[in-house]
Amino acid sequence: GAVVSQHPSRVICKSGTSVKIECRSLDFQATTMFWYRQFPKQSLMLMATSNEGSKATYEQGVEKDKFLINHASLTLSTLTVTSAHPEDSSFYICSARPAGGPETQYFGPGTRLLVL
Amino acid sequence: ELKVEQNPLFLSMQEGKNYTIYCNYSTTSDRLYWYRQDPGKSLESLFVLLSNGAVKQEGRLMASLDTKARLSTLHITAAVHDLSATYFCAVDRVGADKIIFGKGTRLHILP
Repeated sequence: GAVVSQHPSRVICKSGTSVKIECRSLDFQATTMFWYRQFPKQSLMLMATSNEGSKATYEQGVEKDKFLINHASLTLSTLTVTSAHPEDSSFYICSARPAGGPETQYFGPGTRLLVL
Repeated sequence: ELKVEQNPLFLSMQEGKNYTIYCNYSTTSDRLYWYRQDPGKSLESLFVLLSNGAVKQEGRLMASLDTKARLSTLHITAAVHDLSATYFCAVDRVGADKIIFGKGTRLHILP
C-alpha cells in the first residue's frame, strides 16, 4: 500500500526559531501534496496544496511567508514554520496524491510541534 | 462552497449497542471518505464511497452513501471498546484538489 512518512514526528522548539517538517511518499510519486493543521479536539484544516515544481496554493488566512512550502521532487514536500510562536503549536499532517491516480490521498503520521 | 456536517459530534455508548453517525454535505461531490483517528495519531482510511447507493462493510463498521440526499452514514454494529476513536467524514470533487472534512465524531464506547 501507499506509504507517506513525516519527519520529525515530534519537535519542541523555542519561540522565534524556524522548524522544517518533511513529508515523503515512500513507494509512489506524488504530483500533489497537502498540508493540514489540527488543533486539539478539532478537525483537520487544510493549509496549502503543494504541486511539484510550482508554487503552493495557500488557503485563505494562512500566511505564506510564515508557512513556507517547497515541493522539490515527486516524493518530497517540506513545510517550514518560520519564526515559530506558541500559537503555532499544533499537529501538522501531510497527505499525498499519487501521480496518475487513484484520486485519493494518503496521509502521513503527523508531526507534533510544540513551541515554547 | 462545499461544507460537511457530521452529527453527533460526541457519542458515548455501551458495548454491544448499535449506532449511526451521519454525514451531510452541501453540494455535489464525487467521493465520500470515512477516516478513523486515534488520539495522537494521524488518519486511518476506512472507506471510500464513489456512487449513489454504495455500501461498504469492514467488521463492525458499515458505510453507505445516498448522493441524492447528500448523506452518508457510518453504522456501528455491536460496538466494542476498540472502536473508541474520532471518526471523520470528508468529501471532494474530481479536479478540485481539496478534501473537505467534517468536524469529526468522538466516539467513546464504555465497557
